[in-house]
Amino acid sequence: ETGVTQSPTHLIKTRGQQVTLRCSSQSGHNTVSWYQQALGQGPQFIFQYYREEENGRGNFPPRFSGLQFPNYSSELNVNALELDDSALYLCASSSGTSEPYEQYFGPGTRLTVT
Amino acid sequence: DQQVKQNSPSLSVQEGRISILNCDYTNSMFDYFLWYKKYPAEGPTFLISISSIKDKNEDGRFTVFLNKSAKHLSLHIVPSQPGDSAVYFCAASAGKLIFGTGTRLQVFP
Repeated sequence: ETGVTQSPTHLIKTRGQQVTLRCSSQSGHNTVSWYQQALGQGPQFIFQYYREEENGRGNFPPRFSGLQFPNYSSELNVNALELDDSALYLCASSSGTSEPYEQYFGPGTRLTVT
Repeated sequence: DQQVKQNSPSLSVQEGRISILNCDYTNSMFDYFLWYKKYPAEGPTFLISISSIKDKNEDGRFTVFLNKSAKHLSLHIVPSQPGDSAVYFCAASAGKLIFGTGTRLQVFP
C-alpha cells in the first residue's frame, strides 16, 4: 500500500507567475484535502475534493483552485503568485467525508515566491 | 481569529517522564479533536483522536483528555521516549480540520 505522494518537493517561482502542485492519494482513498502551512503556523485548510467535486473551501481567494481526477489524484493551482504564498503545501487523503476520519498527509511541497 | 490555540511553542522533557501538551479551543461546535505529530521533512502523522462526547481516549502510551466546560484538551505521553521528539499539532473538526500552531516536544536522555 503506497502512501500519499506529492510533487515537486521544492519549487521557486516569481511573483505573478502560476504554479501547479500535484498529489497522489493513498490507495483506496477518495477524498483529498489541501492545506497551506506558513512558517511557524499550523496547516490551514484550503479546500477538499470528494469524488472529483469540491466539497468545502477555507478562507482562500479564487486564485487558489483545484482538481481531482478519476483516479483520485489531485492538483492545486495558484495563479498570480504573491510573496505571502510562500509556504509548505500539504495534501491529505482520507476514505470519506463523514467524521470521524483520519487524514493521511503527504510530505508537502515547499513553495518559495520571490 | 484563532479557534484552536497551542500556547506553548516548545516543551522539553526527560526520557521516561510524562509529556503533557495542551490545546485550547473557542468553538463549542467542534465535534471531534485530533492530535498529529510531525517530523522534519515529513507530513503530519495522525496520532490519536477523541469525540466531543467522550472525556478520555487512550492508545498505548498516548492519552487524550477533553474538558468541554473549559474548552481544553491535553495529550499525555508516558513514558516519553527520544523518538517522540517532534512537533505536535492539535486539530479540531467542524467539517474541516482547524489546526493549532504546534508545540515542539524535545525528549532528552
